[in-house]
Amino acid sequence: NAGVMQNPRHLVRRRGQEARLRCSPMKGHSHVYWYRQLPEEGLKFMVYLQKENIIDESGMPKERFSAEFPKEGPSILRIQQVVRGDSAAYFCASSPGTGEEQYFGPGTRLTVT
Amino acid sequence: GQQLNQSPQSMFIQEGEDVSMNCTSSSIFNTWLWYKQDPGEGPVLLIALYKAGELTSNGRLTAQFGITRKDSFLNISASIPSDVGIYFCAGQQGSNNDMRFGAGTRLTVKP
Repeated sequence: NAGVMQNPRHLVRRRGQEARLRCSPMKGHSHVYWYRQLPEEGLKFMVYLQKENIIDESGMPKERFSAEFPKEGPSILRIQQVVRGDSAAYFCASSPGTGEEQYFGPGTRLTVT
Repeated sequence: GQQLNQSPQSMFIQEGEDVSMNCTSSSIFNTWLWYKQDPGEGPVLLIALYKAGELTSNGRLTAQFGITRKDSFLNISASIPSDVGIYFCAGQQGSNNDMRFGAGTRLTVKP
């Protein structure tokens, strides 16, 4: 059973470009979460999605960031007009249902130059 | 949001020693989890705790869910070099499933 898949593992973008991060949950999991991690820090919750629905986006910046989890295909975290402060590791996690353990992917390391 | 205070920030120990780390919060959580993260990788779930007072073991790891629901600890017995990494506590509350993480404990094990 494959784990949570994320791609790309590393992404370099210039200021002002768009970044698209993909996450495929574990088989049988319909709940997806995105977290951001700065160096030497813990993970900060961004958004929680179920298929086609955003359940909680309280950790997501109001501008430039969006997330989706379509009926078919992976969950996408999109960052428009990236700035240097967006440089971080972005982790996706999935769980089979509400209140159940979350399993993490390997992360996407975004570098904005 | 809820703050999780994890301590110590870092530990340097000799192989074979036991390790203890803990997490406290001013808020009540329904679930406490402990993860380990290796450099360049995502966190890996070690232990999940669901009931106040629960004590759970996973090999050399033991974790407890505090009676007040506001704290948890993780013990590692007889440490080995591959225990090196960053250990995070995480608390989960409510039905929306979002987790709050501690800042991590960086463990170094000297052979």
